[in-house]
Amino acid sequence: GENVEQHPSTLSVQEGDSAVIKCTYSDSASNYFPWYKQELGKGPQLIIDIRSNVGEKKDQRIAVTLNKTAKHFSLHITETQPEDSAVYFCAARAPSGNTPLVFGKGTRLSVIA
Amino acid sequence: GAGVSQSPSNKVTEKGKDVELRCDPISGHTALYWYRQSLGQGLEFLIYFQGNSAPDKSGLPSDRFSAERTGGSVSTLTIQRTQQEDSAVYLCASSFSGQGSYGYTFGSGTRLTVV
Repeated sequence: GENVEQHPSTLSVQEGDSAVIKCTYSDSASNYFPWYKQELGKGPQLIIDIRSNVGEKKDQRIAVTLNKTAKHFSLHITETQPEDSAVYFCAARAPSGNTPLVFGKGTRLSVIA
Repeated sequence: GAGVSQSPSNKVTEKGKDVELRCDPISGHTALYWYRQSLGQGLEFLIYFQGNSAPDKSGLPSDRFSAERTGGSVSTLTIQRTQQEDSAVYLCASSFSGQGSYGYTFGSGTRLTVV
């Protein structure tokens, strides 16, 4: 089955700097790659997703890139703000049947003002 | 409702007791998922319901865990004879369709503590 690895597990950046979180996946059939943000005491919230027919997607300060050949995808946050501090999870899903999302172990991002 | 609702938000139970966790998904969402999040860990898949199809129980860690979904809406996750290793946050999510590529909407979770 699918296996998703996420790095780093913790990341600290200065306010205004960029943050990059990387994930790799094992199943070449996977075609959907969402990113979730989890704030303290809350459930994960979808922030951006990408499908395998595109290589990059942007939404204001966040962007996701996908390299299908290498089976890795990354989340980029530019001009970080203190409210970006949270735990971020990547996930992958294969299209066969009704397989659920497989999540990485998360990255705790701290933006230092 | 506007989002996925889970209850209770917190549950403390004694080892060996049974617990029931409830999830009320977004109206119209046909797929419902249960995940477990242990301290500092990622999200571990437990079980998945899609419409009237048989649930995918492949993630349930033992036969002490079971779940049902009544009328294609509300779901209950039951843990029998709870153990300390069952302590975790149990998250429920729903999506418009189990097939295809749709993001999940998660509830805020139930924090279960077994003492």
